[in-house]
This record gives sequence, C-alpha cells and structure tokens, in this order.
Amino acid sequence: QQQVKQSPQSLIVQKGGISIINCAYENTAFDYFPWYQQFPGKGPALLIAIRPDVSEKKEGRFTISFNKSAKQFSLHIMDSQPGDSATYFCAASKRYSSASKIIFGSGTRLSIRP
Amino acid sequence: EAGVTQSPTHLIKTRGQQATLRCSPISGHTSVYWYQQALGLGLQFLLWYDEGEERNRGNFPPRFSGRQFPNYSSELNVNALELEDSALYLCASSYPGLAVTSTDTQYFGPGTRLTVL
Repeated sequence: QQQVKQSPQSLIVQKGGISIINCAYENTAFDYFPWYQQFPGKGPALLIAIRPDVSEKKEGRFTISFNKSAKQFSLHIMDSQPGDSATYFCAASKRYSSASKIIFGSGTRLSIRP
Repeated sequence: EAGVTQSPTHLIKTRGQQATLRCSPISGHTSVYWYQQALGLGLQFLLWYDEGEERNRGNFPPRFSGRQFPNYSSELNVNALELEDSALYLCASSYPGLAVTSTDTQYFGPGTRLTVL
C-alpha cells in the first residue's frame, strides 16, 4: 500500500529525444507527487510536483502526466540534453498525515547521449 | 536564503566506532528527515523529527538514532558501525509537516559520505 514503483531502472536517450519515466502507486490517499533530480555526489533537488486535481503540469521541458484512475504518473523530458543526465526519483505523500513522510521510487538513471 | 547544510562532507570510521552527522534545516523549517542512500541505490527513510520529537522511523536497527535541538538542527548517530553502513546520508527539511499549511516538499542537503573501513 505504501510502495511507489518506478520504471525503468535505467534509460539511455539520444540528445534531442524524449525521456519518459513512469511511476505507479497503490495508496489512493496520496495527494502530492513530486519528482526529484539527483546528480552524482549531490542531494536530490525538487524538479517538479503535481497534485491529483490536475492531469498535467508543465515547467519548461519537464512535464508530469497524472492518471488518477490508473494510479500512475510519469515524467516527460522534452528535447533531452546531456545536462539532464542524472538519477530521477518519483515520490508520493499524503498531506496533513501524522505519519507524513515521502515515499520514494527506486530511481531511474538517465543518460543522454550526445 | 541558505539551503539545508550538512557536516561533515566526508567521514571515515572503522568498524565498531560511532559516527555523528549533523544537519541544519532551512530557516523556518521545523521538520527534519534523514535518509540513507547506499551506492547506486534509492533513498531509504531513516528518521523524521518535528518540533524536537521523533515522529517516525524507518526499518533500521536501534543503533541508528538521532535528536533534534531547540533550534531545529538535528544530529544522526550511528553506533557500532558496520561495513554496510557505508553510504551517503541525506538530510532534508520541510515546512511544518503537521501544519495545514504544510507543502510536503522536502529540501535536501548535499549529504555526508560515510565510509566504514
């Protein structure tokens, strides 16, 4: 119930292509879905986040698509660049919960080939 | 505005020793979270502190402990170090986790790389 399943584990995309990372959750009480980007040796940094009252959120080249009925959400990186090469984590949490903590997916290592 | 800070950057210990890691949250944040990230692996939740109290802990043995100080900074202690404790330890902070105005967004520090020899 508390898991967030992320796929693929690793992804190689050509420069200029579209990178797509998928996540699925089980707990329908989750109502906040952030994505984090982590470069080697650094802490994760918030990239973009969505709440389930919208089906899509776009910030620059990064888009989250959210399918509430399927309990799935995905990150799309348009025009992928070598600087996007990093590990990406999806996450889910429930606001105002006394047990509040973010549940992270297992991560996707993205490599953008020049 | 300063971000989450952690010290030390690197820490080398031998088996059986104790390690102490420190974290200062973003100003105004009262919740502090600790995660363990072993090399090439995901984030494993360790501990959550809010307003000086431990709110939740992950599936780690009792030798992993911590505390939160009145100024909301936090300390993670790992006793009786084992080789498999070698990892990047990340601290994150958020706006009050239990408040109705909570954003649930966690902001991470750069981590402390712990190596156990």
